[in-house]
Amino acid sequence: EPEVTQTPSHQVTQMGQEVILRCVPISNHLYFYWYRQILGQKVEFLVSFYNNEISEKSEIFDDQFSVERPDGSNFTLKIRSTKLEDSAMYFCASIRKTTSGPTGELFFGEGSRLTVL
Amino acid sequence: AQKVTQAQTEISVVEKEDVTLDCVYETRDTTYYLFWYKQPPSGELVFLIRRNSFDEQNEISGRYSWNFQKSTSSFNFTITASQVVDSAVYFCALSEVLFSGGGADGLTFGKGTHLIIQP
Repeated sequence: EPEVTQTPSHQVTQMGQEVILRCVPISNHLYFYWYRQILGQKVEFLVSFYNNEISEKSEIFDDQFSVERPDGSNFTLKIRSTKLEDSAMYFCASIRKTTSGPTGELFFGEGSRLTVL
Repeated sequence: AQKVTQAQTEISVVEKEDVTLDCVYETRDTTYYLFWYKQPPSGELVFLIRRNSFDEQNEISGRYSWNFQKSTSSFNFTITASQVVDSAVYFCALSEVLFSGGGADGLTFGKGTHLIIQP
């Protein structure tokens, strides 16, 4: 069964460093998302991406964050200058599109755990 | 603005007991989707069910059942004859899907209910 894959599974970085989290969505999916889950807390929406541009973004998704789909398969989340509070599990997700729009059924990757020291 | 409330932070039951996880939502849209996800200790999010706002039929899948009631804005999840492998955090989520311009809102998650099934 096709699945969303994320790399790395765990990254440790120093505060102030740039981090890129990578995702390969399911191949026929057209809507892509990043979510964040700080340890022990709820899953929070960061950004949605469709047709090579951001559709929606939350208050969390400030200027330190950016997303890109550089080559038609990868979907990346970049954090320019990491802060301690960026430590979290980051989930990539994608949705299939039907003739009436997105199905609403998100497929999540297994997550990338980011630890900022 | 949309909101999902899972009032039960943690539930602990003994194996084989039935358990119900509550979910109450708020939305101004008439069209929306409700979801349940399971997050086992390994951390991944596992999709369990999606329910459309215009389909109030309850659903049963094996030991799992869902009770959707628009009148009370609730989408409760029941596990019958619970097993230790059901131990996980369960998240209820809401999506107000927009069809204009092809954009799609993200999911709004509840805070999750940590379900502990004791042998």
